[in-house]
Amino acid sequence: GAVVSQHPSWVICKSGTSVKIECRSLDFQATTMFWYRQFPKQSLMLMATSNEGSKATYEQGVEKDKFLINHASLTLSTLTVTSAHPEDSSFYICSARTVAGGYEQYFGPGTRLTVT
Amino acid sequence: AQKVTQAQTEISVVEKEDVTLDCVYETRDITYYLFWYKQPPSGELVFLIRRNSFDEQNEISGRYSWNFQKSTSSFNFTITASQVVDSAVYFCALSDIDQTGANNLFFGTGTRLTVIP
Repeated sequence: GAVVSQHPSWVICKSGTSVKIECRSLDFQATTMFWYRQFPKQSLMLMATSNEGSKATYEQGVEKDKFLINHASLTLSTLTVTSAHPEDSSFYICSARTVAGGYEQYFGPGTRLTVT
Repeated sequence: AQKVTQAQTEISVVEKEDVTLDCVYETRDITYYLFWYKQPPSGELVFLIRRNSFDEQNEISGRYSWNFQKSTSSFNFTITASQVVDSAVYFCALSDIDQTGANNLFFGTGTRLTVIP
């Protein structure tokens, strides 16, 4: 139980294009999903918290117009990197918390984005 | 403010040796949770343990054990008789609880463990 998937698992795109990453909770409903970013050999940094049906809350320093987050349903959140640049290349990981609450976050397998 | 410090950036041990990964945290909250995650080369985070701030009992799970000491704000992780498959990056994390019951995870910088056969 509590499985989170991400799609795609890796993507290569050209500078200036936009990329959408999906995060799905497969066997539970998630009121809250989190998006993290991890640079090579570094820790996970929280980018934003998204609640179903409302606007995402972005962490300081994260550009909301560049990293568009949509949490349209209780099982799906999307992160769109707009006008991607090479410095956006990173490992993006989502996590989800169940409707029942509690303090567990279930992590997806991550998406490796490379911008050329 | 919450902060998690993992002072050991990289550790190498020979197979079958014991190894302890250190984690020191800072928080002003009375109630909080501590976690350990394993991140193998594939990248996926693997949950290892969660401990709440009111439970200072040490825990053992197979070759893994955890030592939680509030007096020193530490939550150390020991692997006994290490194996090559233990090679990974290990993250310690702290979770606070806000008014809505939501939690935010604050990760340490991770410790890269290499077990040499």
